[in-house]
Order: sequence, then structure tokens, then C-alpha cells
Amino acid sequence: DIVMTQSPDSLAVSLGERATINCKSSRSVLYSSNNKNYLAWYQRKPGQPPKLLISWASTRESGVPDRFSGSGSGTDFALTISSLQAEDVAVYFCQQYYTTPEYTFGQGTKLEIK
Amino acid sequence: EVQLLESGGGLVQPGGSLRLSCAASGFTFSNYAMSWVRQAPGKGLEWVSAISGSGNNTYYADSVKGRFTISRDNSKNTLYLQMNSLRAEDTALYSCAKTRGDQWLLSYWGQGTLVTVSS
Repeated sequence: DIVMTQSPDSLAVSLGERATINCKSSRSVLYSSNNKNYLAWYQRKPGQPPKLLISWASTRESGVPDRFSGSGSGTDFALTISSLQAEDVAVYFCQQYYTTPEYTFGQGTKLEIK
Repeated sequence: EVQLLESGGGLVQPGGSLRLSCAASGFTFSNYAMSWVRQAPGKGLEWVSAISGSGNNTYYADSVKGRFTISRDNSKNTLYLQMNSLRAEDTALYSCAKTRGDQWLLSYWGQGTLVTVSS
């Protein structure tokens, strides 16, 4: 199994400041034949189902604000919120789909307002 | 609008059975693979099972292989998860998810239904 490890487990950031969540995979999720990273980021707000934010490590879903960005390749990835808004309070988790459908997920990072 | 509505959760004794359902709407159900994912209290997400759009291909996590069966009825736009020989460690919120693309990216999730295995 590919183990996904996120850091930190929780993060408190002031409104308007940058928030960065890291995700590390135990082996590369970069598929050499198409040069794509099989890595997604999701947002889960209390009482709501997970929402897909970013696929292919850096492709934002339609309707996702551009303050959300994904970066990284191979085994190291990051989700950055450039200017934190109150509505961004949620748990964020990464997921690899390199071994689809045997997906594995990061443990989640709880993002709060400082 | 895509909608996924899970049902069938509840309290069951160890060794018991439950069947979860996921009613889908807002898309052509038979065109998409579907998956079940669970989250135990205080734990992370765990993929449970997946099924192709036709239903011909099924996949299971090792933790549930031989005990759980995924199926679908494309005429009813409904996904199922038959859970037998339930254990305390199966206690979790079970969510169904719609996939997208050849890589079966989990593009849309339901709210989930809670399964509690306890005597």
C-alpha cells in the first residue's frame, strides 16, 4: 500500500494569511507514461461530505476559488490557501489514486482560524 | 445536480449483517464506476470497495474481502454494500462516491450512513 502522511495534523492561521498543508507519499505517485501525479486534495466541512478541490496534484476543480492551489510531484505535495477566509475552516486530506481503485488517504489536517 | 443518498446504517451485533444502499441521481449512473469509503470515529478515511459501471468488475480492501459484497442495480440507479460477519472495527460512517475518468477519481461523495457494530 502507498502510505500518505500529512503534516501538520492541525493548523491555526489568521484570516487573510497563508495556510500550507503538506502531504508525503511512501512511494511516487507520478505515472511516467503521462507525467501526471495521481494525487487529489479534498475539503471536508462539519456535517458535509468531502468536496474534491484539486486533482492531478495541481488542477483546481471548477468553482474552487483560486486562493486554493496544489503543488508538488513524485512523493511530496502541498495544498496552499493563499489568503485564508472564514469559510475555509475544514479538514483537508490528500488521496493517491495511482493504485486506483485501492485508494489511500492522508490522515487529514484540521484547519482553524487563529 | 449530482445527488448520492446513503441509507441502511444502524446498530448491529458482532457477527451480524447489514445492507447499505446509495441512491444516485443527476447523472447517467451506469456510465460511472462507484466506490464505498468509510471513516471510523477518530480515524482517517479508508477505501472499502469499488465496482465498475457495468458491475462486472469489483474490488475490495483486504480488511473486508470475503465479508462484504458490492453490487449495483443500474435500472434503479442504486449502489449496494452487503456487509456480513460484522466486527467492532467495521464501526464507521460509510459513504458512497461517484468516480470520474479512467483513473476513477472520487469526484463526488454522499453524506454517509453510520454503522455501529456493538453488543
